[in-house]
Order: sequence, then structure tokens, then C-alpha cells
Amino acid sequence: GQQVMQIPQYQHVQEGEDFTTYCNSSTTLSNIQWYKQRPGGHPVFLIQLVKSGEVKKQKRLTFQFGEAKKNSSLHITATQTTDVGTYFCAGKRNNDMRFGAGTRLTVKP
Amino acid sequence: NAGVTQTPKFQVLKTGQSMTLQCAQDMNHNSMYWYRQDPGMGLRLIYYSASEGTTDKGEVPNGYNVSRLNKREFSLRLESAAPSQTSVYFCASSDQAGGQPQHFGDGTRLSIL
Repeated sequence: GQQVMQIPQYQHVQEGEDFTTYCNSSTTLSNIQWYKQRPGGHPVFLIQLVKSGEVKKQKRLTFQFGEAKKNSSLHITATQTTDVGTYFCAGKRNNDMRFGAGTRLTVKP
Repeated sequence: NAGVTQTPKFQVLKTGQSMTLQCAQDMNHNSMYWYRQDPGMGLRLIYYSASEGTTDKGEVPNGYNVSRLNKREFSLRLESAAPSQTSVYFCASSDQAGGQPQHFGDGTRLSIL
């Protein structure tokens, strides 16, 4: 079945450093979604990527969808303490959407 | 706007007890979802409802039943709770049929002893 792997599992950065999390699927995806979950909170939808090679930006966040539509990345430039949380990708193939295990980001002020 | 509301927020059950988790959304969304979240495993879909009166099994449906009472409400029932069902349960909704969940409730933290 479809699997979505996310790396790294944890990332600790100094405030101001960049951060990247990667999402890899065992199968070609229709689209991919990214979510952020603050500690003790609920997931918050960030963005959806649909097209091969697509790149979208939200302020300091840059999202990419691979050319083969099997991988994706989320890059945060100059992290801030407000970026703390777990970032999840969720890949969809046909009617089946699977979440990655998430990357937990901590930021040292 | 409340968005997606889940009740209760916390619950402790004994093995074999039954319970219904309630979820309601006020955004007039067609699609609603139930997920469980376990440490280190991300979210796993239990059941999905594309519209009132329709439900479909997700990745981990065993031990659960759902009911889409109307467009607003989507409940999750554990008929005979087991310790393996200890988890955080999230309800979510979407305005897209077959689309990704867009809005999540605050979750129900369920412990089964």
C-alpha cells in the first residue's frame, strides 16, 4: 500500500537558522498537503500542491512538489520561535490520503 | 465562528465500555473525517463521510462505527473499548468532495484502561 515517509523526525535549530523537512512517497501522488500542529494543538492546513515541479511560497515558507510527484519539501527561512511545532505532509493517491509521521521542530531563542 | 467542535475534550474509559465522540461543524462543509493520532505515527483516517448519509472506511476502521446524522454532525462510536484505542481523536471537515481535510477540531484525548 501507499506509504509516506517524512524526514527528519526531529530538528532543533537556533532562531534565525533555516529548516527543511522532506516527504517521500512510495507511489506517484495526485497531490500533497502540508499541515502544522503546535504542541497540544490540532493540525492546521497550510497548503496543497498539485502540479509536477510546483513551488509555492507563504512568507518565509517555501513548498515544493517534485517533478515525479513522489516527493515534496517544506523550507522555512530564518526560523522564529513561532515556527515551533510538528509539520506533517499528507500525500493523496486516488482516494487514499496518507500522512507522514511528521517532523518536530524546536527553535532555541 | 466555532469551526469544528468536538466533545468531550478528555475521557477515560474502562476496557469494554462504549462511548460516542461527537463532532459538529458550522461551515456548511460536505466532507467530514475522523482521524486518530498516536505518538510518532502521524494521523490515520478511521472513517470519512463525503456527504450526509454516506460513510466510507478509512485506513483503520476496525472497532469503530460512525454516523453522519446530518450535514453538521459526524459521530464516532466505540462499541467495546480496548486499550489499543487509547489515542487522540480528531474530527475534520472540508468543502471539497474527496478533498483533503481543511479544518480540524481541538481533539478528544481518550484513555482506555
